[in-house]
Amino acid sequence: GAGVSQSPRYKVAKRGQDVALRCDPISGHVSLFWYQQALGQGPEFLTYFQNEAQLDKSGLPSDRFFAERPEGSVSTLKIQRTQQEDSAVYLCASSPVDWGMYKYGYTFGSGTRLTVV
Amino acid sequence: GENVEQHPSTLSVQEGDSAVIKCTYSDSASNYFPWYKQELGKGPQLIIDIRSNVGEKKDQRIAVTLNKTAKHFSLHITETQPEDSAVYFCAATINAGGTSYGKLTFGQGTILTVHP
Repeated sequence: GAGVSQSPRYKVAKRGQDVALRCDPISGHVSLFWYQQALGQGPEFLTYFQNEAQLDKSGLPSDRFFAERPEGSVSTLKIQRTQQEDSAVYLCASSPVDWGMYKYGYTFGSGTRLTVV
Repeated sequence: GENVEQHPSTLSVQEGDSAVIKCTYSDSASNYFPWYKQELGKGPQLIIDIRSNVGEKKDQRIAVTLNKTAKHFSLHITETQPEDSAVYFCAATINAGGTSYGKLTFGQGTILTVHP
């Protein structure tokens, strides 16, 4: 597609519920990132994929957070047993090659706004 | 790890004035500094970037300066227009070559309002 697509745009979850957030990167993009953006803050790194390999998951805040990209294209961020502090916008970004952000920049999606009530 | 501080948190200017946003970083190994503009309900969009081997870069009304010794970099917008109103983020990362992948550390953001 023309850009990075994320779905759903908005998600309201009851505390304790599991959620799955989807990212469709630009076709052919090797690198894929997930960031978490709390209200009024800058995005914070969660995890990085190069094709299907998850090379860095150091930013995942707890073992309730899990991300996958099984075929090296679409990625899913799953949050189990959601808590109120998980409320944030979850941003996905992709770039053409593993170091491509320095030459091309990487493209962010519009994000999924998760509200846990 | 890297820490990026950004000031001011809000900035209000009149149309046609200049706007300056400043950031400092902590990791002297950081060598790539992009700036992003985020409009309401959208993801961040890259507007300009600078690498540590240059001190200044310009693109029309936007410029970025970098002082490696002091570990700070700034965004300058001249002749501001109402459509420049948005949240601006600075960021830093280490480009260590082919094995690095550009994990960004962002500042806290600056809400820029340009009044007509």
